Amino acid sequence: DTGVSQNPRHKITKRGQNVTFRCDPISEHNRLYWYRQTLGQGPEFLTYFQNEAQLEKSRLLSDRFSAERPKGSFSTLEIQRTEQGDSAMYLCASSFGSGGQREQYFGPGTRLTVT
Amino acid sequence: AQTVTQSQPEMSVQEAETVTLSCTYDTSESDYYLFWYKQPPSRQMILVIRQEAYKQQNATENRFSVNFQKAAKSFSLKISDSQLGDAAMYFCAFSAPPASKLTFGTGTRLQVTL
Repeated sequence: DTGVSQNPRHKITKRGQNVTFRCDPISEHNRLYWYRQTLGQGPEFLTYFQNEAQLEKSRLLSDRFSAERPKGSFSTLEIQRTEQGDSAMYLCASSFGSGGQREQYFGPGTRLTVT
Repeated sequence: AQTVTQSQPEMSVQEAETVTLSCTYDTSESDYYLFWYKQPPSRQMILVIRQEAYKQQNATENRFSVNFQKAAKSFSLKISDSQLGDAAMYFCAFSAPPASKLTFGTGTRLQVTL
């Protein structure tokens, strides 16, 4: 199966620690999106890349968050100095092309718990 | 900014019956797309159906169809002949170029009973 993969699937960390998540999109998908989903809510947009360029960041993405997509392949999302409010499911999605109708394929997510 | 509203936190339908999930949205964009995504328990989100705003014809995908009312900014999902496997969270979502990021509603949890 060559779907979107995310690692780790679960992460428990103590407040103040740094964490990094990885997303491997479907090969040849040039767009990659990160979303955050809290319990009982729909996913909220965080940021997206077209190839290696980060084109937009949500105001939800504080200075403690940074995302990269070197070489336009996999992407990492790092959270520094984690806070309890960062506890959520972090979803990655990828798509091919830039048209608004393009389907975004989602990964299984990384569930972060900050204690 | 776009907003998507799903006013039904939970819905229940008997197997083989039909159910309609509601969604309204607000936007000033003229070029946009609407989607219904399904998120089964502990599984990843998958696309159910999409609708281009410029198309008047309502989209259909097998047992799934939409009622797109552009003037009313309404986009409901109808599931016919409901199956146990349809049980999931359903999210209505909006996107517009160039970013095409998805703006989601809060979701409707659909329960399918025997």
